[in-house]
Amino acid sequence: QVQLVESGGGVVQPGRSLRLSCAASGFSFSNYVMHWVRQAPGKGLEWVAVVSTDGNNKYYADSVSGRFTISRDNSKNTLSLQMNSLRFDDTAFYYCVRVSYSGTSKMDYWGQGTLVTVSS
Amino acid sequence: DIQMTQSPSSVSASVGDRVTLTCRASQSVGSSLNWYQQKAGKAPILLIYGISTLQTGVPARFSGSGSGTDFTLTITGLQPEDFATYFCQQTYSTPITFGQGTRLEIK
Repeated sequence: QVQLVESGGGVVQPGRSLRLSCAASGFSFSNYVMHWVRQAPGKGLEWVAVVSTDGNNKYYADSVSGRFTISRDNSKNTLSLQMNSLRFDDTAFYYCVRVSYSGTSKMDYWGQGTLVTVSS
Repeated sequence: DIQMTQSPSSVSASVGDRVTLTCRASQSVGSSLNWYQQKAGKAPILLIYGISTLQTGVPARFSGSGSGTDFTLTITGLQPEDFATYFCQQTYSTPITFGQGTRLEIK
């Protein structure tokens, strides 16, 4: 079965860095576009970044562009999010998400999320 | 960016009721409109994609409709497990955007 397991969350001071990972299993990881989506506690969902199947094309939300870097290692079935210059408003649950296409794109599998807390 | 607006922000209903949730896009999103359900402390799950297609395993009491900029999610015959928060999402253009959510509560 499809599994996405995030790790790497924790408490970090403003301005510092953190790297999230997502271990994928149960499907052919290299065939799927992958995203990060975040959710501040008690708030709505915010798309963060997307990476193409080969890792060569990446897009970011304006709120993280220039600070976050999405990447993938298809040989290890792993998705990553390098987060630099963290701010208080980056505090959120971060979800690793698989996208599939059935006439339109859909986020059909989500990880359980990992909590990033930016606090001094 | 395409803004997604959901209404109401919260609604109370009883088991067995029929409830309709609304999502409006700031510009046309074609058929690239999805709905997700999220329960407290859990990740969202995909309910409906492409406006009206049920994801595998989703009960038939859920249905979606609409076109262009106006969309609805209807639940016919509410079950206790349906009380949750529902989000619409457009994947028509980057950045992907979500509505702010509608919280469905037990009356």
